[in-house]
Amino acid sequence: GEDVEQSLFLSVREGDSSVINCTYTDSSSTYLYWYKQEPGAGLQLLTYIFSNMDMKQDQRLTVLLNKKDKHLSLRIADTQTGDSAIYFCAESFGSSASKIIFGSGTRLSIRP
Amino acid sequence: DGGITQSPKYLFRKEGQNVTLSCEQNLNHDAMYWYRQDPGQGLRLIYYSQIVNDFQKGDIAEGYSVSREKKESFPLTVTSAQKNPTAFYLCASSNPGQGANTEAFFGQGTRLTVV
Repeated sequence: GEDVEQSLFLSVREGDSSVINCTYTDSSSTYLYWYKQEPGAGLQLLTYIFSNMDMKQDQRLTVLLNKKDKHLSLRIADTQTGDSAIYFCAESFGSSASKIIFGSGTRLSIRP
Repeated sequence: DGGITQSPKYLFRKEGQNVTLSCEQNLNHDAMYWYRQDPGQGLRLIYYSQIVNDFQKGDIAEGYSVSREKKESFPLTVTSAQKNPTAFYLCASSNPGQGANTEAFFGQGTRLTVV
């Protein structure tokens, strides 16, 4: 079955880069996503990558996809205090990408 | 404004009672989802619906029921058969297809507490 795994916590110094990692088991995914969740709120999409791409850059965010190792990462350059949140990776499945499975989330904390 | 709305934000239920969580979207999305979030466990899929009058079980459907009578609405009933219902429930919708923009849009969540 589909499974998506992430480490639970990451702490970085303000101004450094953060790298959040995700591994998945089912290689039939269509799209892979990164979402951000702030306390007590829903999830907001940060970025996504189509499964036949290996990299996508969007301002401070860089997504790397290694299909061979089933590994997805999100790099946040110049991490700021406002980046403190839980980050979820997710996969969609099926020809219409209608089933979406999420990882456990990585809580990113920023230290001065 | 287009969006997805969950209500209520907080809900208290006595043990043994059924309760229904509301989710409405005006994004004209075909697909809708319910997830449950517990600390340290991320989001787990309860049910999803790809089209009106059709829905599929997710990974943890036991003790829950849904209906999809209208495109814009996907209510979730937490029944008394659900042994640990206290959690944060998130509803989402998406427009599946071949192109981009298939991501899920989320409501603000309903925190259910069983007392």
